[in-house]
Amino acid sequence: AQKVTQAQTEISVVEKEDVTLDCVYETRDTTYYLFWYKQPPSGELVFLIRRNSFDEQNEISGRYSWNFQKSTSSFNFTITASQVVDSAVYFCALSGTDSWGKLQFGAGTQVVVTP
Amino acid sequence: GAVVSQHPSWVICKSGTSVKIECRSLDFQATTMFWYRQFPKQSLMLMATSNEGSKATYEQGVEKDKFLINHASLTLSTLTVTSAHPEDSSFYICSALRTEQYFGPGTRLTVT
Repeated sequence: AQKVTQAQTEISVVEKEDVTLDCVYETRDTTYYLFWYKQPPSGELVFLIRRNSFDEQNEISGRYSWNFQKSTSSFNFTITASQVVDSAVYFCALSGTDSWGKLQFGAGTQVVVTP
Repeated sequence: GAVVSQHPSWVICKSGTSVKIECRSLDFQATTMFWYRQFPKQSLMLMATSNEGSKATYEQGVEKDKFLINHASLTLSTLTVTSAHPEDSSFYICSALRTEQYFGPGTRLTVT
């Protein structure tokens, strides 16, 4: 069975602070995909990143960066110099290759950025 | 990027009535679509996989007679909540699979 754990329910930061969101996953699949989505108050999911289990390179995209560590089954997400517009719920998700498209979501982490 | 729409964006209905939610892939054909449900302050849970031209596959614990899914064309899947009750009030999100998965904007259902 697959499982995604986001232990942080809510994180509050002041603008310009960095914030790191933790994601730990469990799967028996040897090949799988990990995702991060942002869900602003409007409810629409915004795709942030997809990472293949064979690609452990960390990635940076603007103020966003991701740290994938297969050894600890973690796929953490950092927002650098946070802004008020970053306030949202962030979901980590997992999909096995045999069940491609069927996402197992974590519980989500609410990020609140105050000016 | 690819666009997936949902209609309606929100709906209020009385207990005991049925509600149909549409999910359309606007600029690509999707043989596979997914339906998720999200209760307030909770995560998204996969309800079912909708396959064009065949029966939907439901996740464990999801009543297939209550949540009817029809994927009659390559661009449209519908979810009908039959005999809705207040506990069915939720945010329903569909997604369409291409090389990537594209999510619709969601439909907020309130059953009074």
